[in-house]
Amino acid sequence: DAKTTQPNSMESNEEEPVHLPCNHSTISGTDYIHWYRQLPSQGPEYVIHGLTSNVNNRMASLAIAEDRKSSTLILHRATLRDAAVYYCILGPLYGGATNKLIFGTGTLLAVQP
Amino acid sequence: GAGVSQSPRYKVAKRGQDVALRCDPISGHVSLFWYQQALGQGPEFLTYFQNEAQLDKSGLPSDRFFAERPEGSVSTLKIQRTQQEDSAVYLCASSLEGLGQNIQYFGAGTRLSVL
Repeated sequence: DAKTTQPNSMESNEEEPVHLPCNHSTISGTDYIHWYRQLPSQGPEYVIHGLTSNVNNRMASLAIAEDRKSSTLILHRATLRDAAVYYCILGPLYGGATNKLIFGTGTLLAVQP
Repeated sequence: GAGVSQSPRYKVAKRGQDVALRCDPISGHVSLFWYQQALGQGPEFLTYFQNEAQLDKSGLPSDRFFAERPEGSVSTLKIQRTQQEDSAVYLCASSLEGLGQNIQYFGAGTRLSVL
């Protein structure tokens, strides 16, 4: 399984943008890049995913390097509710048996008021 | 609509006791996953169901762990003769099947403490 590397922790100030990096130098051509986050005392929640092109949704943006060996999750204006552990995960986009998520330790994001 | 529901939220067991953890997935979701999350770590895969069929149990740490989903909806994770190392949060997730459907929706988990 292709692995990802993320910083253990990051800090941000409220209402400022946050850029969360992820390295995945061994990514395969069929791997999508998924981001989940886990708020305190909750299960992980889906944030965004992409393959090659940059992606935007109501929660965040995903910027993918041209060689696909790294990506960045962008929170445009951090709020206190964005304080969580953010996981970058590689995997296919098919639902089903092959799609167990392989989590690393993620990045713990602290947001200061 | 309702999300993934897990019960109980907290469970304290004495070493050697059997426990049963329940997961109610989102209605209509074919896929169901169980994960185990130790303190300070990311979740680790335990087992996967497609409807009632258990297609992958490669992550179950020992034969004391058993999961079932007899009617293809509710699932139960059972741990027999609990040990202290079983203390963790057990997470259940469900998803649809098919291309573009690999978004997993997680419950809040069951925190198991074995004394």
